[in-house]
Amino acid sequence: DIQLTQSPSFLSASVGDRVTITCRASQGISSFLAWYQQKPGKAPKLLIYAASTLQSGVPSRFSGSGSGTDFTLTISSLQPEDFATYYCQQLNTYPLTFGGGTKVEIK
Amino acid sequence: EVQLLESGGGLVQPGGSLRLSCVASGFIFNSYAMNWVRQVPGKGLEWVSGIGPRGVSKYYADSVKGRFTISRDNSKSALYLQMNSLRAEDTAIYYCAKSPNWGAVRPTCFENWGQGTLVTVSS
Repeated sequence: DIQLTQSPSFLSASVGDRVTITCRASQGISSFLAWYQQKPGKAPKLLIYAASTLQSGVPSRFSGSGSGTDFTLTISSLQPEDFATYYCQQLNTYPLTFGGGTKVEIK
Repeated sequence: EVQLLESGGGLVQPGGSLRLSCVASGFIFNSYAMNWVRQVPGKGLEWVSGIGPRGVSKYYADSVKGRFTISRDNSKSALYLQMNSLRAEDTAIYYCAKSPNWGAVRPTCFENWGQGTLVTVSS
């Protein structure tokens, strides 16, 4: 199975900060990677797919990059509504797998 | 508007069975792969199972293989997860999720999610 390692697992940041979350795959997954945002008590929300394609309706301050084994999710200027937990997911190979999550909290 | 509505969760004893349903609307159900994802409250996401648009291709996580069965009834726009031999570690919120890729067995992401249904396995 392909393991996804997210770092950091916890991040404390201020409004306006630039935030970067990394996701490393245990083997190459091309660009078959998606990023999701989840808030407490809610279902996950798709942010980015194919490693760097922004889902319709998602603010442009979110961006994704990478291919192969190393990927990043960047929030260019953190907004109050961005405090949440973020997950990466690989869709290259079954079984599909998720990273462990990164919780972004207010400093 | 795409809507996914899960049901069927509840309290079940270890070793018991439960059948989850996900009724879909707002899109042509028989053209999209569907998946189940679960989440222990307060923990991370775990993919459970996926099924192709026609119901022929089916995939499972190792943790549920041989115990869970995914199926769909395209005439009813419904997705199912039959869960047998349930264990305490199956306790979680179960979400159904839709692929955005028309006609494809393998999704590039999970575009839409239901609100989830809670399964509790306990004596």
